[in-house]
Amino acid sequence: QKEVEQNSGPLSVPEGAIASLNCTYSDRGSQSFFWYRQYSGKSPELIMSIYSNGDKEDGRFTAQLNKASQYVSLLIRDSQPSDSATYLCAVNTRPSSFASYDKVIFGPGTSLSVIP
Amino acid sequence: SQTIHQWPATLVQPVGSPLSLECTVEGTSNPNLYWYRQAAGRGLQLLFYSVGIGQISSEVPQNLSASRPQDRQFILSSKKLLLSDSGFYLCAWTIGGFEQFFGPGTRLTVL
Repeated sequence: QKEVEQNSGPLSVPEGAIASLNCTYSDRGSQSFFWYRQYSGKSPELIMSIYSNGDKEDGRFTAQLNKASQYVSLLIRDSQPSDSATYLCAVNTRPSSFASYDKVIFGPGTSLSVIP
Repeated sequence: SQTIHQWPATLVQPVGSPLSLECTVEGTSNPNLYWYRQAAGRGLQLLFYSVGIGQISSEVPQNLSASRPQDRQFILSSKKLLLSDSGFYLCAWTIGGFEQFFGPGTRLTVL
């Protein structure tokens, strides 16, 4: 069973601090990695995609990928109360060696609370 | 730009009643479409996906079914709801890759 794991949290950080969210995945063949933000009662919103090892920055968000360690992270700099949400890590995977398609599986999410 | 609609937004149904949830996508052609369920405090569970009209793949055996009667329409159905069917149902689409974009969702409560 291919898996994506995340710390469930809640992760609490003070306003202005860096929030660090972590994700590990089990499928060594995965090539596409995503971070979604989900506010309470709302649907997930794609905030970052990363496909190559290293860092990818977009505004206050930085995604980091290490395929050798099967590890993806999301850093949020200068955290704001509006960043308080659940962050979902998602990874493409092939269900089995016999499958002819890939699918995306989601981790359980990490709840982030930014304290003013 | 692409837009995805889901209705109804909320639904309360008795156990044993039928279900029909609808998802439509605007601004794109031949999308891959997905139905997910998110139980309270849980992650996203893929239920069905479709790569074209009439083409449905089921991920989890259950009392739910899906249909795609038109290119941009995806329907989730049940003949008899169970208590365990309660949850947040999300439709998503993608074109040519794995970046999925979600609709606003339908919150279903089965009593």
